[in-house]
Amino acid sequence: GAVVSQHPSWVICKSGTSVKIECRSLDFQATTMFWYRQFPKQSLMLMATSNEGSKATYEQGVEKDKFLINHASLTLSTLTVTSAHPEDSSFYICSARGDRSYEQYFGPGTRLTVT
Amino acid sequence: QQQVKQSPQSLIVQKGGISIINCAYENTAFDYFPWYQQFPGKGPALLIAIRPDVSEKKEGRFTISFNKSAKQFSLHIMDSQPGDSATYFCAASRGGNTPLVFGKGTRLSVIA
Repeated sequence: GAVVSQHPSWVICKSGTSVKIECRSLDFQATTMFWYRQFPKQSLMLMATSNEGSKATYEQGVEKDKFLINHASLTLSTLTVTSAHPEDSSFYICSARGDRSYEQYFGPGTRLTVT
Repeated sequence: QQQVKQSPQSLIVQKGGISIINCAYENTAFDYFPWYQQFPGKGPALLIAIRPDVSEKKEGRFTISFNKSAKQFSLHIMDSQPGDSATYFCAASRGGNTPLVFGKGTRLSVIA
């Protein structure tokens, strides 16, 4: 299957600071990328869908000014958690889908801890 | 409204046995049904997927059975091994740029 990477794999930051998470498709061009959040022992919660070169579409209840998503190229999307607070601590996972493709491949996830 | 219902929540199977996980969907516009396997602290990995034009797809020990009229699909893991112990998610989508809709997951434990 296709490979999607995420960086960093884990990050600890202080409350009030911002954190950027990168998601890269390594061996295919990802026309669409998705960002999910997952709490322990729960399913994946879709945060937003982004298409290369256009603004992300956020799910209801997700603050777009807090979770900034940029999909500047066909292989890179970034999620920036601005002014992070302890309640933002979670496992963030990205996924990517190629053009005219149904398959969606996930990155390994980023564990964010806000102290 | 939960569009994809998955059962059971947890499953314990003896080594060598068959693990069966079921999902039911509501939206008849769904036309792609994947299964993902997730280990703790890792991202989900695509295991196997099916389109509605076939009723069954087999890849190694993993089989998807699909019943379009009943709007149900299931994952069968033959000869289950302790290494199969993980959380399994079913999902569905309408294709294109639409996101996957996930079930709530099944925690599978395969005991020796």
